[in-house]
Amino acid sequence: QKEVEQNSGPLSVPEGAIASLNCTYSDRVSQSFFWYRQYSGKSPELIMSIYSNGDKEDGRFTAQLNKASQYVSLLIRDSQPSDSATYLCAVKPSDNFNKFYFGSGTKLNVKP
Amino acid sequence: DVKVTQSSRYLVKRTGEKVFLECVQDMDHENMFWYRQDPGLGLRLIYFSYDVKMKEKGDIPEGYSVSREKKERFSLILESASTNQTSMYLCASKRSGTSRTYEQYFGPGTRLTVT
Repeated sequence: QKEVEQNSGPLSVPEGAIASLNCTYSDRVSQSFFWYRQYSGKSPELIMSIYSNGDKEDGRFTAQLNKASQYVSLLIRDSQPSDSATYLCAVKPSDNFNKFYFGSGTKLNVKP
Repeated sequence: DVKVTQSSRYLVKRTGEKVFLECVQDMDHENMFWYRQDPGLGLRLIYFSYDVKMKEKGDIPEGYSVSREKKERFSLILESASTNQTSMYLCASKRSGTSRTYEQYFGPGTRLTVT
Protein backbone atom coordinates (compact mmCIF):
# COMPACT_ATOMS: atom_id res chain seq x y z
CA GLN A 1 0.00 0.00 0.00
CA LYS A 2 1.37 3.35 -1.03
CA GLU A 3 2.07 5.82 1.75
CA VAL A 4 1.22 8.90 -0.31
CA GLU A 5 -1.12 8.96 -3.28
CA GLN A 6 -1.64 11.57 -5.96
CA ASN A 7 -3.53 11.61 -9.23
CA SER A 8 -0.87 11.56 -11.94
CA GLY A 9 -2.84 13.84 -14.23
CA PRO A 10 -2.24 15.66 -16.40
CA LEU A 11 -4.43 18.33 -14.95
CA SER A 12 -5.13 21.00 -17.55
CA VAL A 13 -6.40 24.43 -16.58
CA PRO A 14 -6.68 27.68 -18.56
CA GLU A 15 -4.47 30.61 -17.67
CA GLY A 16 -5.98 32.63 -14.82
CA ALA A 17 -7.98 29.73 -13.39
CA ILE A 18 -7.54 28.01 -10.03
CA ALA A 19 -5.63 24.74 -10.13
CA SER A 20 -6.45 22.26 -7.38
CA LEU A 21 -4.02 19.45 -6.58
CA ASN A 22 -4.81 16.74 -4.07
CA CYS A 23 -2.86 14.23 -2.02
CA THR A 24 -3.90 11.53 0.44
CA TYR A 25 -1.68 9.76 2.93
CA SER A 26 -1.95 6.60 4.99
CA ASP A 27 -0.11 7.41 8.24
CA ARG A 28 -2.78 8.90 10.43
CA VAL A 29 -0.36 10.58 12.82
CA SER A 30 1.92 12.24 10.26
CA GLN A 31 2.74 15.76 11.29
CA SER A 32 4.49 17.51 8.42
CA PHE A 33 3.40 17.96 4.85
CA PHE A 34 5.21 19.53 1.93
CA TRP A 35 4.53 20.47 -1.67
CA TYR A 36 7.40 20.44 -4.12
CA ARG A 37 7.33 21.75 -7.68
CA GLN A 38 9.42 19.99 -10.29
CA TYR A 39 9.95 21.36 -13.77
CA SER A 40 10.74 18.87 -16.50
CA GLY A 41 14.36 17.76 -16.25
CA LYS A 42 14.93 19.67 -13.02
CA SER A 43 15.03 18.72 -9.36
CA PRO A 44 12.16 19.31 -6.91
CA GLU A 45 11.95 22.64 -5.14
CA LEU A 46 9.94 23.27 -2.00
CA ILE A 47 7.05 25.69 -2.45
CA MET A 48 4.81 25.11 0.56
CA SER A 49 4.82 23.37 3.91
CA ILE A 50 1.94 22.90 6.33
CA TYR A 51 1.72 21.38 9.78
CA SER A 52 -1.67 22.28 11.24
CA ASN A 53 -5.21 21.70 10.10
CA GLY A 54 -6.63 24.46 7.97
CA ASP A 55 -5.25 26.71 5.27
CA LYS A 56 -1.88 28.29 4.77
CA GLU A 57 -1.47 30.95 2.13
CA ASP A 58 1.69 32.17 0.43
CA GLY A 59 1.13 34.46 -2.52
CA ARG A 60 -0.87 32.63 -5.16
CA PHE A 61 -0.45 29.31 -3.35
CA THR A 62 -2.69 27.92 -0.61
CA ALA A 63 -2.06 24.62 1.13
CA GLN A 64 -4.97 22.95 2.89
CA LEU A 65 -4.63 20.20 5.46
CA ASN A 66 -7.33 17.95 6.87
CA LYS A 67 -5.78 15.42 9.22
CA ALA A 68 -9.07 13.73 10.05
CA SER A 69 -9.61 12.89 6.38
CA GLN A 70 -5.89 12.40 5.76
CA TYR A 71 -5.58 14.67 2.80
CA VAL A 72 -3.60 17.71 1.87
CA SER A 73 -4.22 19.91 -1.13
CA LEU A 74 -2.55 22.73 -3.00
CA LEU A 75 -4.50 25.51 -4.68
CA ILE A 76 -2.84 27.74 -7.23
CA ARG A 77 -4.79 30.92 -7.94
CA ASP A 78 -4.45 32.89 -11.16
CA SER A 79 -2.56 30.01 -12.76
CA GLN A 80 0.20 30.98 -15.17
CA PRO A 81 1.88 28.96 -17.94
CA SER A 82 5.03 29.10 -15.81
CA ASP A 83 3.19 27.02 -13.20
CA SER A 84 3.17 24.10 -15.62
CA ALA A 85 5.18 21.43 -13.81
CA THR A 86 4.82 18.28 -11.78
CA TYR A 87 3.80 18.83 -8.18
CA LEU A 88 5.00 16.35 -5.59
CA CYS A 89 3.36 15.84 -2.23
CA ALA A 90 5.65 14.74 0.61
CA VAL A 91 4.78 13.53 4.08
CA LYS A 92 7.07 13.19 7.05
CA PRO A 93 5.92 10.15 9.05
CA SER A 94 5.56 10.19 12.79
CA ASP A 95 7.95 7.29 13.41
CA ASN A 96 10.99 8.60 11.55
CA PHE A 97 11.67 12.30 11.55
CA ASN A 98 14.39 11.92 8.92
CA LYS A 99 12.38 10.09 6.32
CA PHE A 100 9.98 11.60 3.81
CA TYR A 101 7.45 9.75 1.72
CA PHE A 102 6.76 11.22 -1.68
CA GLY A 103 3.80 10.81 -3.94
CA SER A 104 4.40 10.13 -7.62
CA GLY A 105 3.33 13.65 -8.53
CA THR A 106 0.58 15.40 -10.47
CA LYS A 107 1.45 16.97 -13.79
CA LEU A 108 -0.15 20.39 -14.25
CA ASN A 109 -0.55 22.06 -17.63
CA VAL A 110 -1.64 25.68 -17.69
CA LYS A 111 -2.79 26.65 -21.15
CA PRO A 112 -2.38 30.26 -22.34
CA ASP B 1 20.75 29.44 0.74
CA VAL B 2 21.27 25.71 0.91
CA LYS B 3 23.30 24.43 -1.95
CA VAL B 4 23.41 20.77 -2.91
CA THR B 5 25.57 19.85 -5.87
CA GLN B 6 25.98 16.62 -7.77
CA SER B 7 29.07 15.65 -9.70
CA SER B 8 27.44 15.04 -13.05
CA ARG B 9 24.19 16.08 -14.74
CA TYR B 10 24.37 13.32 -17.34
CA LEU B 11 26.24 10.05 -17.24
CA VAL B 12 26.39 7.13 -19.65
CA LYS B 13 27.88 3.87 -18.44
CA ARG B 14 28.10 0.33 -19.71
CA THR B 15 26.53 -2.72 -18.07
CA GLY B 16 28.82 -4.16 -15.42
CA GLU B 17 30.76 -0.95 -14.77
CA LYS B 18 31.21 0.40 -11.26
CA VAL B 19 29.59 3.81 -11.05
CA PHE B 20 30.13 6.56 -8.48
CA LEU B 21 27.67 9.40 -8.00
CA GLU B 22 28.87 12.21 -5.75
CA CYS B 23 26.84 14.71 -3.77
CA VAL B 24 28.10 17.68 -1.76
CA GLN B 25 26.12 20.07 0.46
CA ASP B 26 27.39 23.27 2.00
CA MET B 27 24.96 23.84 4.86
CA ASP B 28 26.44 21.52 7.46
CA HIS B 29 23.37 19.28 7.32
CA GLU B 30 23.59 16.04 9.24
CA ASN B 31 21.23 14.08 7.01
CA MET B 32 21.77 13.22 3.38
CA PHE B 33 19.66 11.12 1.05
CA TRP B 34 19.83 9.37 -2.30
CA TYR B 35 16.67 8.87 -4.32
CA ARG B 36 15.91 7.60 -7.75
CA GLN B 37 13.03 8.95 -9.76
CA ASP B 38 11.27 7.02 -12.48
CA PRO B 39 8.13 7.93 -14.45
CA GLY B 40 5.00 6.86 -12.61
CA LEU B 41 6.93 5.67 -9.57
CA GLY B 42 7.86 8.98 -8.04
CA LEU B 43 10.80 9.41 -5.73
CA ARG B 44 12.07 6.25 -4.09
CA LEU B 45 14.60 6.33 -1.28
CA ILE B 46 17.72 4.24 -1.87
CA TYR B 47 19.82 5.08 1.20
CA PHE B 48 20.18 7.83 3.69
CA SER B 49 22.86 8.85 6.12
CA TYR B 50 22.30 10.59 9.44
CA ASP B 51 25.94 11.13 10.33
CA VAL B 52 29.46 10.53 9.06
CA LYS B 53 30.00 6.82 8.43
CA MET B 54 26.38 6.11 9.38
CA LYS B 55 23.85 4.88 6.88
CA GLU B 56 20.45 3.32 6.71
CA LYS B 57 18.75 1.44 3.92
CA GLY B 58 15.82 3.01 2.22
CA ASP B 59 13.10 1.31 0.25
CA ILE B 60 15.19 0.06 -2.70
CA PRO B 61 18.83 -0.50 -1.61
CA GLU B 62 19.48 -3.60 -3.72
CA GLY B 63 22.34 -3.10 -6.17
CA TYR B 64 23.55 0.06 -4.45
CA SER B 65 25.93 1.01 -1.68
CA VAL B 66 26.86 4.35 -0.14
CA SER B 67 29.77 6.06 1.51
CA ARG B 68 29.91 9.03 3.84
CA GLU B 69 33.44 9.78 4.97
CA LYS B 70 32.90 13.53 5.42
CA LYS B 71 29.85 15.37 6.63
CA GLU B 72 29.39 17.36 3.45
CA ARG B 73 29.79 14.50 0.99
CA PHE B 74 27.59 11.48 0.30
CA SER B 75 28.41 9.03 -2.46
CA LEU B 76 26.19 6.50 -4.16
CA ILE B 77 27.90 3.47 -5.66
CA LEU B 78 26.52 1.10 -8.23
CA GLU B 79 28.74 -1.93 -7.81
CA SER B 80 27.89 -3.44 -11.20
CA ALA B 81 25.61 -1.23 -13.23
CA SER B 82 22.62 -2.81 -14.93
CA THR B 83 20.18 -1.43 -17.46
CA ASN B 84 17.38 -1.35 -14.89
CA GLN B 85 19.39 1.23 -12.98
CA THR B 86 18.92 3.73 -15.77
CA SER B 87 17.17 6.55 -13.95
CA MET B 88 17.33 10.07 -12.56
CA TYR B 89 19.27 10.09 -9.29
CA LEU B 90 18.58 12.86 -6.81
CA CYS B 91 20.58 13.74 -3.75
CA ALA B 92 19.03 15.69 -0.88
CA SER B 93 20.12 17.04 2.46
CA LYS B 94 18.31 18.05 5.61
CA ARG B 95 19.11 19.39 9.00
CA SER B 96 18.78 16.80 11.75
CA GLY B 97 16.33 17.06 14.59
CA THR B 98 12.72 16.55 15.41
CA SER B 99 11.51 19.94 14.30
CA ARG B 100 8.73 19.42 11.84
CA THR B 101 9.88 22.44 9.90
CA TYR B 102 13.07 20.87 8.64
CA GLU B 103 12.66 20.17 4.94
CA GLN B 104 14.78 18.42 2.35
CA TYR B 105 16.79 20.35 -0.22
CA PHE B 106 17.57 18.67 -3.50
CA GLY B 107 20.53 18.73 -5.82
CA PRO B 108 20.09 19.16 -9.59
CA GLY B 109 20.02 15.43 -10.28
CA THR B 110 22.12 13.03 -12.34
CA ARG B 111 20.50 11.35 -15.28
CA LEU B 112 22.25 7.99 -15.57
CA THR B 113 21.93 5.81 -18.64
CA VAL B 114 23.29 2.27 -18.53
CA THR B 115 23.71 0.66 -21.93
